[in-house]
Amino acid sequence: AQTVTQSQPEMSVQEAETVTLSCTYDTSESNYYLFWYKQPPSRQMILVIRQEAYKQQNATENRFSVNFQKAAKSFSLKISDSQLGDTAMYFCAFMSPTYSGGGADGLTFGKGTHLIIQP
Amino acid sequence: GAVVSQHPSRVICKSGTSVKIECRSLDFQATTMFWYRQFPKQSLMLMATSNEGSKATYEQGVEKDKFLINHASLTLSTLTVTSAHPEDSSFYICSATIAGGRGGTQYFGPGTRLLVL
Repeated sequence: AQTVTQSQPEMSVQEAETVTLSCTYDTSESNYYLFWYKQPPSRQMILVIRQEAYKQQNATENRFSVNFQKAAKSFSLKISDSQLGDTAMYFCAFMSPTYSGGGADGLTFGKGTHLIIQP
Repeated sequence: GAVVSQHPSRVICKSGTSVKIECRSLDFQATTMFWYRQFPKQSLMLMATSNEGSKATYEQGVEKDKFLINHASLTLSTLTVTSAHPEDSSFYICSATIAGGRGGTQYFGPGTRLLVL
């Protein structure tokens, strides 16, 4: 079974600062996907970034980037130039495909980090 | 693109009644849909995986006779909470993956808040 651990229940930073959210996971699989999802007060889950385990290059989406350390089973999210709209719960999630072609399997989520961006 | 809707967004029902929640992929065909439950201030927990035209796969501890899932088409999955009790009150969220699309990415619906009195 897979487990995902987010050790920071809450973080608070000033607007425009850079913040890093940590995530570690445990699995015996070699092929998997990792995700960061954002859940604002509306509770709509929004995909922030996606990483494929077989890719060594860290994924980047505008102000969001990850530091993926496969050997350490670590997957942290860095938010640069933080904005008030970044205030939300952030969930790290793990998924293992059911077959090599990229089939679908359910997500295992961490407990989340509540990120607050202060004006 | 990749929009998922849920209906209703909020429902209140009496204990013992059944409630149906719909999950639709609006602009894509979904090979697989998932149902999650989220209790207040907690994370999402996978309840079941639904594949079009076949029986759903339930996670350990989830009663399949209580949470009936039907995935009749590539754009619609339904979750029926049968004989609901107050402890079933929760936030139910569905997600869907695109048929033939990028492996693994799930697109989430806006959720349904269920309150059982």
